[in-house]
Amino acid sequence: SAVISQKPSRDICQRGTSLTIQCQVDSQVTMMFWYRQQPGQSLTLIATANQGSEATYESGFVIDKFPISRPNLTFSTLTVSNMSPEDSSIYLCSVGQGDSYEQYFGPGTRLTVT
Amino acid sequence: GEDVEQSLFLSVREGDSSVINCTYTDSSSTYLYWYKQEPGAGLQLLTYIFSNMDMKQDQRLTVLLNKKDKHLSLRIADTQTGDSAIYFCAEGGGADGLTFGKGTHLIIQP
Repeated sequence: SAVISQKPSRDICQRGTSLTIQCQVDSQVTMMFWYRQQPGQSLTLIATANQGSEATYESGFVIDKFPISRPNLTFSTLTVSNMSPEDSSIYLCSVGQGDSYEQYFGPGTRLTVT
Repeated sequence: GEDVEQSLFLSVREGDSSVINCTYTDSSSTYLYWYKQEPGAGLQLLTYIFSNMDMKQDQRLTVLLNKKDKHLSLRIADTQTGDSAIYFCAEGGGADGLTFGKGTHLIIQP
C-alpha cells in the first residue's frame, strides 16, 4: 500500500484566515481524494483531484472555499479559505490507482478554528 | 442519493465473534469496503469485496455480501481488545470517492 503523509498534522487557526494542507504520497497515484470528518461524525467526500484536470467537487463544497491543487502524481494540496468555527474538522486525503479499487488514507490534519 | 447505514454501537465479549452490519442504497456500487479507525488514528483499510462476490475471508475477518438486499456484514472471529475501534462501511471505488456510513463503535467486554 502507498505511504501517505499530511502536513500539518494539526493546527489552530483564527477565523477569517486560510490554511493549506499538503498531502504527499511515496509513489505515483492516479487519483487523490479529499475528505472531511467533523467531530464524532463520518467522512464526507469534498472533491476528487486528478492530475492535469480541475478538481471535481461534491455537492455542498465549492472551489472558492476549498481550492485544490494537483501539480503532479505524488502531491496535492487542499486550502480551507476564510475559515469559521464550523470548519473545525479532520481533513484527510486518500489515494487510489486506476487499476485497483483499494483506497488508502493519510493520517489526517486536525483543524480547530477559534 | 447514495446512503450507507450502520448501527452506532456493538458490544461483545472478548473471544466471541463480532458481526457488524451495513446496508447501502446504491445498486451500482462496484466495491464495498470496511475501514477501521482507532482512537486518534487514521483510517485503516481492513478489506473490501467486489459487488459480484458473496463472501471474502481474510484470516479472522469474513465479509458477506447480499447484493439483492444490499446488505454487507463484517465478522471478526475471536474478538480481542485490540479490535476495539470504530468500523466504517463504505461503497464506491475506482474513479469515484467513497460514501461512508456513520461508523459502528465496537466495544469489547472482558
